[in-house]
Amino acid sequence: AQRVTQPEKLLSVFKGAPVELKCNYSYSGSPELFWYVQYSRQRLQLLLRHISRESIKGFTADLNKGETSFHLKKPFAQEEDSAMYYCALSSDTGRRALTFGSGTRLQVQP
Amino acid sequence: GAVVSQHPSWVICKSGTSVKIECRSLDFQATTMFWYRQFPKQSLMLMATSNEGSKATYEQGVEKDKFLINHASLTLSTLTVTSAHPEDSSFYICSARTSPGTGARNTQYFGPGTRLTVL
Repeated sequence: AQRVTQPEKLLSVFKGAPVELKCNYSYSGSPELFWYVQYSRQRLQLLLRHISRESIKGFTADLNKGETSFHLKKPFAQEEDSAMYYCALSSDTGRRALTFGSGTRLQVQP
Repeated sequence: GAVVSQHPSWVICKSGTSVKIECRSLDFQATTMFWYRQFPKQSLMLMATSNEGSKATYEQGVEKDKFLINHASLTLSTLTVTSAHPEDSSFYICSARTSPGTGARNTQYFGPGTRLTVL
């Protein structure tokens, strides 16, 4: 069975501070990992995916297969980064449905 | 970018009635759509996978006779909550996945969600 764990429900930082949202997963095959973000009163939207290896809005995430982690990082948080962040995993075969973590609310204070 | 719409955005109904929720991919074709349920302050839980032209695949614990899914075209999937009861009140979210060979593969785009309240 596949599982995604986000240990922090809430992460509060000050503007300009570094941010790391933790995500660990369990999956027997080769998963595809995603980070989705949900701003207040908006729909869920894709932030980044591990196969793209890109930086979106200053965020990066590296897949560490040894530690089965996909932590989301940003060196300098901005107030507009305040949102709900979900880590998600998709299997590499079959339906490729997403399994979501419980989410972490990021609060960036001025 | 790919846009997914849901209708209605919110609905209030009486216990025992049925409610239909539509999910549309507006500018792309989606052979696969997914239906999720989200309780307050909780994550999204996959309910079922909707495949165009075939029967939906339901997750364990989801009653297929209670939550009827129809995926009649490449741009439309519907979820009907039959004989709704107060415990069915929730936020229902659909997503549509781009078809293979079109843009970013295996990317799901989410609708804005439908809030269902059963009195």
